[in-house]
Amino acid sequence: DTGVSQNPRHKITKRGQNVTFRCDPISEHNRLYWYRQTLGQGPEFLTYFQNEAQLEKSRLLSDRFSAERPKGSFSTLEIQRTEQGDSAMYLCASSLDRMPQHFGDGTRLSIL
Amino acid sequence: SQQGEEDPQALSIQEGENATMNCSYKTSINNLQWYRQNSGRGLVHLILIRSNEREKHSGRLRVTLDTSKKSSSLLITASRAADTASYFCATALGSNDYKLSFGAGTTVTVRA
Repeated sequence: DTGVSQNPRHKITKRGQNVTFRCDPISEHNRLYWYRQTLGQGPEFLTYFQNEAQLEKSRLLSDRFSAERPKGSFSTLEIQRTEQGDSAMYLCASSLDRMPQHFGDGTRLSIL
Repeated sequence: SQQGEEDPQALSIQEGENATMNCSYKTSINNLQWYRQNSGRGLVHLILIRSNEREKHSGRLRVTLDTSKKSSSLLITASRAADTASYFCATALGSNDYKLSFGAGTTVTVRA
């Protein structure tokens, strides 16, 4: 399967813990995106990488959130000191330049 | 804030019938895209229509765009049970072609 891969698919953690998600984009794609989706809503843009450079962060991304894309390949999204409101599906997408974005199946985060 | 709004929120049809859903948006766009999301999965890109296009077809999908009314419609003809999913419109704002803004989606149920 050469699509966008996200791990883990599900994460359950206690409030206050740190969590890290991984996204492996389609190999030739230079752009990588993170979105958050809550139940009954569409995805909301979080951040965007062009190769290894993080070019924009949404105001939704508080200082507890950090994303990296070392060497312009896979990306990680870390949430520190998780809160109840962080419970959501975190989606990763990738694209080649301005071509349509390809999404992974997401990581569903549940905060106890 | 989200740019697009889909209507209706939910739609239930019999297999073989057509399904029509609409999307309204607020600001000028370069293009508008439609995505499908099956339950618990990521989004799949269906079709992109540019601001200078009025209609586009892809298989059983027909998309229209009316920039004067800031609206788009997605028609699925001869629906199948496999078309059961949520459908989202997404717009890219101005030069920020990487930042997609999604509506809340239309949930389509196709009854066998």
